[in-house]
Amino acid sequence: KAGVTQTPRYLIKTRGQQVTLSCSPISGHRSVSWYQQTPGQGLQFLFEYFSETQRNKGNFPGRFSGRQFSNSRSEMNVSTLELGDSALYLCASSRRGGDTEAFFGQGTRLTVV
Amino acid sequence: AQSVTQPDIHITVSEGASLELRCNYSYGATPYLFWYVQSPGQGLQLLLKYFSGDTLVQGIKGFEAEFKRSQSSFNLRKPSVHWSDAAEYFCAVGSIQGAQKLVFGQGTRLTINP
Repeated sequence: KAGVTQTPRYLIKTRGQQVTLSCSPISGHRSVSWYQQTPGQGLQFLFEYFSETQRNKGNFPGRFSGRQFSNSRSEMNVSTLELGDSALYLCASSRRGGDTEAFFGQGTRLTVV
Repeated sequence: AQSVTQPDIHITVSEGASLELRCNYSYGATPYLFWYVQSPGQGLQLLLKYFSGDTLVQGIKGFEAEFKRSQSSFNLRKPSVHWSDAAEYFCAVGSIQGAQKLVFGQGTRLTINP
């Protein structure tokens, strides 16, 4: 059974650009959530999608957005990149949300220069 | 608001020694609790989870954790560590209902001495 797949694994972008990260959940999982991991702030929740609807959102600026497609694949977008957006972005999938365990992908390492 | 505290930022143990990583949580109801492990540059791997029932849960790689409601703790243990256990360990609390949202502790980095 394939795990959670995130692409790309590594990205280097310039300040002011935008970036799109992709996440393919485990087959049959309908919930996809995103996290940002930095040395200073640790792991922070960005947002969660279920059946193409955003159900919950963390405390991040509007530059961070996401969406989910009918096949449960999800994308997150960061516009007008700042140096502080450099982080490991992790995606997790679960069957239906909070009462089921979450499985994480390998992450996308974003570096903003 | 939910919160998780891992008091130990870094722990060093000798190979073959026992291990206990501490985790304290704050949550208004019975929580869902998790331990994840992360190797450098990698994603998070689920070690074990507590949803309900038996308060001593077994996980992968020989790990176990005990849920103690009175102490708001969910400590991770292993009787004998291996060099391959060196990694960062994260405790997390999850929502009971609705959206999948985990609140993580700051992590404990585990170093193994040969």
